[in-house]
Amino acid sequence: AQTVTQSQPEMSVQEAETVTLSCTYDTSENNYYLFWYKQPPSRQMILVIRQEAYKQQNATENRFSVNFQKAAKSFSLKISDSQLGDTAMYFCAFMKKGSGGSNYKLTFGKGTLLTVNP
Amino acid sequence: KAGVTQTPRYLIKTRGQQVTLSCSPISGHRSVSWYQQTPGQGLQFLFEYFSETQRNKGNFPGRFSGRQFSNSRSEMNVSTLELGDSALYLCASSLGVREDLYNEQFFGPGTRLTVL
Repeated sequence: AQTVTQSQPEMSVQEAETVTLSCTYDTSENNYYLFWYKQPPSRQMILVIRQEAYKQQNATENRFSVNFQKAAKSFSLKISDSQLGDTAMYFCAFMKKGSGGSNYKLTFGKGTLLTVNP
Repeated sequence: KAGVTQTPRYLIKTRGQQVTLSCSPISGHRSVSWYQQTPGQGLQFLFEYFSETQRNKGNFPGRFSGRQFSNSRSEMNVSTLELGDSALYLCASSLGVREDLYNEQFFGPGTRLTVL
């Protein structure tokens, strides 16, 4: 079974600054995906960024980038130039790459509540 | 394209009752997954359906069940409700094809169930 751990229940950052959210995971799988999802207050969960385990290059999506350390099983999210709209709960998630529906089972961490202050 | 819709958005039930929640996926999506979100346990996978068949199931008691219709709409049912079933229930849809490729999951707004 896979586990995902987010050790920072809450974080805050000033607008325009950079913040890094931590995530570690445990798995015996070799082929998998890692994700960061964002859940704004009372709004839908949306995908922020995705990383495929076989890719060594860290994923980047505009102001969002990850630091993927496969051997250490670490997957942190860096948000640059933080904006007020980044205030949300952020979830790190794992999904095995496989068959029989396993592609569609996400295992989530407990989340990190990020507050961006003006 | 319309997003994933869930009905109802809010629901209040009493212990012992049963409840049915509905999820309409994005048009063309054939896979629907369900998750339970609580402050204590976080987000937990319930089950996933594809072409009216349950392909994967999480570690929940048999009181939690689901089904999928031919139009890919899905329902989940919880029987004999307990206080601990109070949660936000999220569904997510994806294309569900070509398992060797990544199929992004798109989440609905959730149904907030309160059990009194």
